[in-house]
Amino acid sequence: QQPVQSPQAVILREGEDAVINCSSSKALYSVHWYRQKHGEAPVFLMILLKGGEQKGHEKISASFNEKKQQSSLYLTASQLSYSGTYFCGTPGSGNTGKLIFGQGTTLQVKP
Amino acid sequence: EAQVTQNPRYLITVTGKKLTVTCSQNMNHEYMSWYRQDPGLGLRQIYYSMNVEVTDKGDVPEGYKVSRKEKRNFPLILESPSPNQTSLYFCASSLRGQATGELFFGEGSRLTVL
Repeated sequence: QQPVQSPQAVILREGEDAVINCSSSKALYSVHWYRQKHGEAPVFLMILLKGGEQKGHEKISASFNEKKQQSSLYLTASQLSYSGTYFCGTPGSGNTGKLIFGQGTTLQVKP
Repeated sequence: EAQVTQNPRYLITVTGKKLTVTCSQNMNHEYMSWYRQDPGLGLRQIYYSMNVEVTDKGDVPEGYKVSRKEKRNFPLILESPSPNQTSLYFCASSLRGQATGELFFGEGSRLTVL
């Protein structure tokens, strides 16, 4: 039931764009995104709810397509501070107590 | 300052020696949870608590116990630690159930079991 993220790792130059995908084998009604910098705790980015809405955080935005059971995180004009590991999380079936994270996507932004 | 505090931050112990990792939050959050993080596996949920005296298993509860006697505290207990419990542990809290709420994470506790 763990969501699957792709790619596993990305290396970019400053100013380049990236897309991180998160897909699930089960129906979703929300997707959560977090970023973890090296040696630190994960930090909340955004939550997307059913309806295909897009949300934004700095130059980071995301979309959620519940029919395709997937979400994508868009990082535009990457900055050095975007480096870290990005996790998507999906609630457990019929249970708001569980939040299941994907394995993570490591993003490295180089000067 | 609003925060989730874990202790200890680092611990090296031996197999079978009971230990407790404490977690405390000062935000009056109802929901608290424990995760372990291992390379390539992401964050895996151990236990969670929707409110005081209400706890439930996550995906990897074996070998762990929790209790929620007070709203602010959610200790993780390893009754008889084994080397496969060597990991980085995170406590997190949310105002309500995390399906709609932002999770606030503690700084993590790195545990090594020899």
